[in-house]
Amino acid sequence: DAGVTQSPTHLIKTRGQQVTLRCSPKSGHDTVSWYQQALGQGPQFIFQYYEEEERQRGNFPDRFSGHQFPNYSSELNVNALLLGDSALYLCASSLAGGQNTDTQYFGPGTRLTVL
Amino acid sequence: AQSVTQLGSHVSVSEGALVLLRCNYSSSVPPYLFWYVQYPNQGLQLLLKYTSAATLVKGINGFEAEFKKSETSFHLTKPSAHMSDAAEYFCAVRADRGSTLGRLYFGRGTQLTVWP
Repeated sequence: DAGVTQSPTHLIKTRGQQVTLRCSPKSGHDTVSWYQQALGQGPQFIFQYYEEEERQRGNFPDRFSGHQFPNYSSELNVNALLLGDSALYLCASSLAGGQNTDTQYFGPGTRLTVL
Repeated sequence: AQSVTQLGSHVSVSEGALVLLRCNYSSSVPPYLFWYVQYPNQGLQLLLKYTSAATLVKGINGFEAEFKKSETSFHLTKPSAHMSDAAEYFCAVRADRGSTLGRLYFGRGTQLTVWP
């Protein structure tokens, strides 16, 4: 049973560029959440996708956008990169509906460095 | 609003000693609570969760946590530390109603060091 996978593992960009990160959820899961983990901090919620729609969003600017595909995989896009966007980006998948099935399982993350 | 406070950003114990990592939460509704572990350069692995069943929750790798509503705490313990337990540990709370359904709020983490 494949867990949550993310690509790429590492990414280096320069300020002003755009980046796309990808996530495939755990088999059987239909909801994907994205988190940003800055160095030395806990993960911060960016947004969550279910049924190909953004269900909720954290306190992140519009430069951060996402998409969910019919196969439940998801992309995170960040435009006009800033130095402060350097972080580990974590994808988590879960199964909507039913309190006991809403545990989020995390992928290994994508390390983004902005120079 | 929901939030988590982890007391102590660094905890050091000797191998075989008791591990105690502290977590206090704030939640306007009955919470779901989680402990995750993160090894270097890896994602988060679920250790255990509290979802309003038994207040003492057992997880993987010999860890357990006790939900204490009166103290708004969910401390993580392990009777005997092992070298392989060295990692960063995150406590998280999940809001269960309204627009924040399913969203996790994390603490800042506690780095556990285990000395031989």
